Amino acid sequence: GDSVTQMEGPVTLSEEAFLTINCTYTATGYPSLFWYVQYPGEGLQLLLKATKADDKGSNKGFEATYRKETTSFHLEKGSVQVSDSAVYFCALRDSGGYQKVTFGTGTKLQVIP
Amino acid sequence: NAGVTQTPKFRVLKTGQSMTLLCAQDMNHEYMYWYRQDPGMGLRLIHYSVGEGTTAKGEVPDGYNVSRLKKQNFLLGLESAAPSQTSVYFCASSFSYEQYFGPGTRLTVT
Repeated sequence: GDSVTQMEGPVTLSEEAFLTINCTYTATGYPSLFWYVQYPGEGLQLLLKATKADDKGSNKGFEATYRKETTSFHLEKGSVQVSDSAVYFCALRDSGGYQKVTFGTGTKLQVIP
Repeated sequence: NAGVTQTPKFRVLKTGQSMTLLCAQDMNHEYMYWYRQDPGMGLRLIHYSVGEGTTAKGEVPDGYNVSRLKKQNFLLGLESAAPSQTSVYFCASSFSYEQYFGPGTRLTVT
């Protein structure tokens, strides 16, 4: 079945540091890929998406590129802020009918001033 | 436009008690989902629905039942709560690629 593997956290960075959170996936067909973010005490919200190979999703300074050859969708940001502290989930939606989404286990990011 | 709402926000149950979690969405979405979130496990799908009157099992359905009598509501029931069901429960709805999540219900079973 489908699966998503992302790097374990927590990740602790200083403000303005470069962020990479690794994500790899296993899926049949041509899945869509997502990054969701969960701020403390809240539900998940979509951060960015990519629906086909070589697409780059971007939002709020975060970027991720859909790499079919390496089955990866790594999240990057050039300069993190304290307000980026949250848990980040990589996810995929299979190309089947009912939009089932498989989530990774989440990576907690803490940014210190 | 409230999005996805969940009731209650917190609940403590004793082993063997029953309860129902309510999820409501005002976006006219066809698809609705119930997940549980546990430390180190990410989100796991309990049940889902592809439209009014339909339900299907997800990854971890045992011990839970669901109903979707109205398009905007998706209920999750625990008939006989167990400590293993202590978790944070999230409801979500979707129309296309994006899932919209509620704020969660923190359930503790003692």
